[in-house]
Amino acid sequence: GAVVSQHPSWVICKSGTSVKIECRSLDFQATTMFWYRQFPKQSLMLMATSNEGSKATYEQGVEKDKFLINHASLTLSTLTVTSAHPEDSSFYICSASPGTGIYSPLHFGNGTRLTVT
Amino acid sequence: SQQGEEDPQALSIQEGENATMNCSYKTSINNLQWYRQNSGRGLVHLILIRSNEREKHSGRLRVTLDTSKKSSSLLITASRAADTASYFCATAYSGGGADGLTFGKGTHLIIQP
Repeated sequence: GAVVSQHPSWVICKSGTSVKIECRSLDFQATTMFWYRQFPKQSLMLMATSNEGSKATYEQGVEKDKFLINHASLTLSTLTVTSAHPEDSSFYICSASPGTGIYSPLHFGNGTRLTVT
Repeated sequence: SQQGEEDPQALSIQEGENATMNCSYKTSINNLQWYRQNSGRGLVHLILIRSNEREKHSGRLRVTLDTSKKSSSLLITASRAADTASYFCATAYSGGGADGLTFGKGTHLIIQP
């Protein structure tokens, strides 16, 4: 089946530093990947849609200069949290679909737990 | 916003019993999907039901969809301890692609052995 790999699984960083999270589709090509954020016991909030070869589409309220997304190839999207602050601590999950239609389920990475101290 | 809303927020039952979770949404959809999330992990797709379908089965899972009431239910029969997880419904906007998925708040299911 379609596998999405996310790295790292968890990261602890100091306030003010930047953190990069990678999302890879291992056995399929993904022109579109999605980045979600999840707070404890909360739902997933779509942050942005990552498009291969073009700019990401950010959801309302998400700072594009803070959450930099790069989709350099059909199998890799990265999310960089710049100048991280404690309030950025959260669970970040990426997803992608091997299909392009509206009936294509999403496949998720295992998430990255970010803790900013 | 057509965010799905699941209820109950949390449910605890004995192993072997059936678990039912409900989801309501606000606007027209193309399809509704259910996902499972184990603690601290990503989501796993369980089942997708199209807007023109009323019921769908997959193993011990049964999903119903009532577009007139804008609601869906997920039934897990003969529950097992391994079913302990959070369950989310997700709706796809009419006319949208996979990027139209909006997730509900989830139901945390605990199966007691």
